This record gives sequence, structure tokens and C-alpha cells, in this order.
Amino acid sequence: LAKTTQPISMDSYEGQEVNITCSHNNIATNDYITWYQQFPSQGPRFIIQGYKTKVTNEVASLFIPADRKSSTLSLPRVSLSDTAVYYCLVDTSGTYKYIFGTGTRLKVLA
Amino acid sequence: KAGVTQTPRYLIKTRGQQVTLSCSPISGHRSVSWYQQTPGQGLQFLFEYFSETQRNKGNFPGRFSGRQFSNSRSEMNVSTLELGDSALYLCASSEGLAGGLSEQFFGPGTRLTVL
Repeated sequence: LAKTTQPISMDSYEGQEVNITCSHNNIATNDYITWYQQFPSQGPRFIIQGYKTKVTNEVASLFIPADRKSSTLSLPRVSLSDTAVYYCLVDTSGTYKYIFGTGTRLKVLA
Repeated sequence: KAGVTQTPRYLIKTRGQQVTLSCSPISGHRSVSWYQQTPGQGLQFLFEYFSETQRNKGNFPGRFSGRQFSNSRSEMNVSTLELGDSALYLCASSEGLAGGLSEQFFGPGTRLTVL
């Protein structure tokens, strides 16, 4: 059963790059990793998804090393509006299907 | 396209009662998943329905149940409510493709308070 852990919180300044890492030591071969952003009083919102190596879209990059025991969400040049909680999600083919990480509260400072 | 809608948005119940929450997915989506979010336990997967069948289930007691209708709308029911069931219940819809390719779209949630 995959267990996912993340740092509880991070602070950053506007314009900086932010990297948030998720550890998933027991990830299975066919499991995907997805990252979500959540603002207060809203449901999570999809950011990016990957399986291995590197994936990039218009808002973020996702790095997954060869052993797949962790993944790193990279947010380039954050702004104040990126202040939110970020969750990794392992889409597991095994028991209990979707396993969310503990969440990282990102605070972007001016 | 309209997003995922959940009703009601807020609910107050007392211990021992039962509650039914409703979720309308994005048009064309056949998968609906339910999650419980609490400050202590975070986001936890309850179950997933695809084409009216429960496809996956999380680690929750049998008091938590759900169903999906032919139009993909879903309901979840919690019987014999306990204080610990107080939480934000989130519904997410997706196309339901296999292999983790489906992006999940979340609704705003139903805030359940058990007194």
C-alpha cells in the first residue's frame, strides 16, 4: 500500500521557483502521480500528472526519478495567487485506489 | 461545460442520524469518486463509481455507502452518524479511463457537521 508524505509547509517569495517533493516509497509499477492545488473552501484542482521522468505543462513541471519513490512538483516564478495547499496523489492499481499525500501549505510572500 | 455540483453545500445533523449527499458530474463523465477531508486525516478516498458500478473502495466502514445512477449522478449515504464523520465531503468526476489517464474534476464539497 502506497504511503505518501509531503512537507507540511513552505514559504517562498514572488518570482521564485518552488519545488515541492512527495515521498511514495511503496509505489507500484503501474501507479501514476498527480498533483492538485486547493484553495480554501474549494475542491482540489488538477495541476499535472506523470508516470516517469519529466512532464511539463503551461503551469508546472513534474519530475519523477527512475526509482519512482518520490516526485517533485516545480512551480516556476510563483505569484501571490499560488498561495494554496498542494497535494500529491498516487493513482494506485492496488487497494484503496487513490491515496493523497499529507498536503503542503505554500505561502507566497511579496 | 458546467462543473461538478454538489448538494447540499452545508448540512448539520445529530449523532445517530443518517445523511445523503448528492453529486452531479460533468456531462459525459462516467466516473464519480468520493473523498472525505478532515484536518486530522487529510483527504481520504471513499469509493469510486463507474457506469453505475462500484469500481474501487477505500478503507471506510460499511456505514459509508454510495450509488450511481444511469445519468452518472451519484449519491453517498452515511448511516448512524458519529461525531468523527464531521468533514468536507468532496466529489470528483472524470472520464474514468484506465491507467491513471483521467483528470479528476472536483466539486466544491458538502460540509457536514455532526452534533
